[in-house]
Amino acid sequence: GEDVEQSLFLSVREGDSSVINCTYTDSSSTYLYWYKQEPGAGLQLLTYIFSNMDMKQDQRLTVLLNKKDKHLSLRIADTQTGDSAIYFCAESYGSGNTGKLIFGQGTTLQVKP
Amino acid sequence: EPEVTQTPSHQVTQMGQEVILRCVPISNHLYFYWYRQILGQKVEFLVSFYNNEISEKSEIFDDQFSVERPDGSNFTLKIRSTKLEDSAMYFCASRRLASTDTQYFGPGTRLTVL
Repeated sequence: GEDVEQSLFLSVREGDSSVINCTYTDSSSTYLYWYKQEPGAGLQLLTYIFSNMDMKQDQRLTVLLNKKDKHLSLRIADTQTGDSAIYFCAESYGSGNTGKLIFGQGTTLQVKP
Repeated sequence: EPEVTQTPSHQVTQMGQEVILRCVPISNHLYFYWYRQILGQKVEFLVSFYNNEISEKSEIFDDQFSVERPDGSNFTLKIRSTKLEDSAMYFCASRRLASTDTQYFGPGTRLTVL
């Protein structure tokens, strides 16, 4: 079945790097996503990676994909207090007209000044 | 930048009442979705909609739920007789065309059932 797992909590100091990990089960996923949710707000798409890529870098964000282990990570360089939020990993499941997203339970990132 | 909008931002209702949650997807998008997030839990898929019909629905999306695209811009989720356990944040999402296009989410409607 479809399942996405994440660790629940990560605490870092401002200026350090944060690494948020995610594992997924559906080997046929075409895209994997990272969404950010600030308190009381909606889901903001941060970045995504196509399943035939190993790495994607976008400014302070680096996504690494290990397809063999079905492991995805999000590295945030030079973490700032404004990065404090919940980060959701999601995989697209199904093709064609569905393409629903399956989300992990979210990792709360706490950035200490 | 185009965005998905949702109204209301917060809806309080009594158990057994009907509610309609409204969404305006991005204008050139063709695929529409509803998700929900019970407080402190995962975001869960409810339903996907394309070409004026449901393309997939989850186990959560039972006969109490329905979706509609009544005109060219709105996409609605109706809950006929709300239950306490329907209290959650409901997110609408849309994507443009291909399965490789990303989904964009609205800010959500917080539904509180008393």
